[in-house]
Amino acid sequence: AQSVTQLGSHVSVSEGALVLLRCNYSSSVPPYLFWYVQYPNQGLQLLLKYTSAATLVKGINGFEAEFKKSETSFHLTKPSAHMSDAAEYFCAVRLSGSRLTFGEGTQLTVNP
Amino acid sequence: ETGVTQTPRHLVMGMTNKKSLKCEQHLGHNAMYWYKQSAKKPLELMFVYNFKEQTENNSVPSRFSPECPNSSHLFLHLHTLQPEDSALYLCASSQDTGGVGNTIYFGEGSWLTVV
Repeated sequence: AQSVTQLGSHVSVSEGALVLLRCNYSSSVPPYLFWYVQYPNQGLQLLLKYTSAATLVKGINGFEAEFKKSETSFHLTKPSAHMSDAAEYFCAVRLSGSRLTFGEGTQLTVNP
Repeated sequence: ETGVTQTPRHLVMGMTNKKSLKCEQHLGHNAMYWYKQSAKKPLELMFVYNFKEQTENNSVPSRFSPECPNSSHLFLHLHTLQPEDSALYLCASSQDTGGVGNTIYFGEGSWLTVV
């Protein structure tokens, strides 16, 4: 079975501060991992994905994530938060076929 | 501009109504999906179609009836829904269902309110 846990349903940072959104997965085989962002009243947009190539993955809008097998983690980071980063972020795991399993999401608030 | 277009964006329907959600993808993909997004719940996969054939039904009640006439279009027919069916319904597509690393692209969703 595969599952994803996002630690912290709400994260609040100041503009310019580091963003760290946590994601841990459980999987008996090497997973493919994804981060999606959902802005208010919109669908999900892919930020980045890990597909067993480089463990440090760079995505759009200055985000990156590092796959750490020993910690079963795929945390999302951005060095300096911008007001426009306020959104909900979803981590997802896919092992085979069509099933993409999502975490419960983390709402990011950026304070001026 | 998204490659997956959903209409209508907002729908209010009574429990005895029959309505449909429409999805169209312009990405040349062969797999299409319906997801349900409810408040305080993870996204739930409802249906998967690959090359127009349904490959997955995630125990969805029969009051939701999908239709995939071709690889570019996907419908979700709704009838005798319940208030708890109110949610954001997201359509998505990918190249096919065989590539595990394939990206799944989402539309902007259809907000459904059942009254």
